[in-house]
Amino acid sequence: GQNIDQPTEMTATEGAIVQINCTYQTSGFNGLFWYQQHAGEAPTFLSYNVLDGLEEKGRFSSFLSRSKGYSYLLLKELQMKDSASYLCAVMDSNYQLIWGAGTKLIIKP
Amino acid sequence: ETGVTQTPRHLVMGMTNKKSLKCEQHLGHNAMYWYKQSAKKPLELMFVYNFKEQTENNSVPSRFSPECPNSSHLFLHLHTLQPEDSALYLCASSQESGGANEQFFGPGTRLTVL
Repeated sequence: GQNIDQPTEMTATEGAIVQINCTYQTSGFNGLFWYQQHAGEAPTFLSYNVLDGLEEKGRFSSFLSRSKGYSYLLLKELQMKDSASYLCAVMDSNYQLIWGAGTKLIIKP
Repeated sequence: ETGVTQTPRHLVMGMTNKKSLKCEQHLGHNAMYWYKQSAKKPLELMFVYNFKEQTENNSVPSRFSPECPNSSHLFLHLHTLQPEDSALYLCASSQESGGANEQFFGPGTRLTVL
């Protein structure tokens, strides 16, 4: 079966760096997405990786290793507004998105 | 604002009621999606429409009935639901389905079935 694993919850301190991991086993691979979802709000797109390596976008970076079935989202200079759930999703060979259950990130002052 | 709106935002209904959820996108996209989001579970894809044609039905019970009159509007008709159907129902759109296209989500309808 298809499976996306990510930690259920993480806690970090304002101003620090946090890395949220995602491992996947899917039938085929057509890219990996990260979305942010604040409580009670819509998920919003953060990043898309289809080739191995690191994509940097401001304070957020996303890494992909296709051979390891692994990705991470790196958040730097954490701010209180970064408290949210972070969803990892993989597009399989049928171009269907397979979603992880999300990682709830709690930022403490 | 993501360009995708959903109404109502909250809905409480009995198991014998009939109600409809509405989604509208203002992005000029051709694909629209219904997802179910339950606490601590992955997003579950329910239906996909591409150019108004249903291309995906992920074994969703018949008590959920989608309707896509045009590329900008998507409805989810609900009847004789069960308490386990209580969840957040999210609508999304993308340029097209079947490709690595970013999906834009609406704020969701929080549904409670009594």
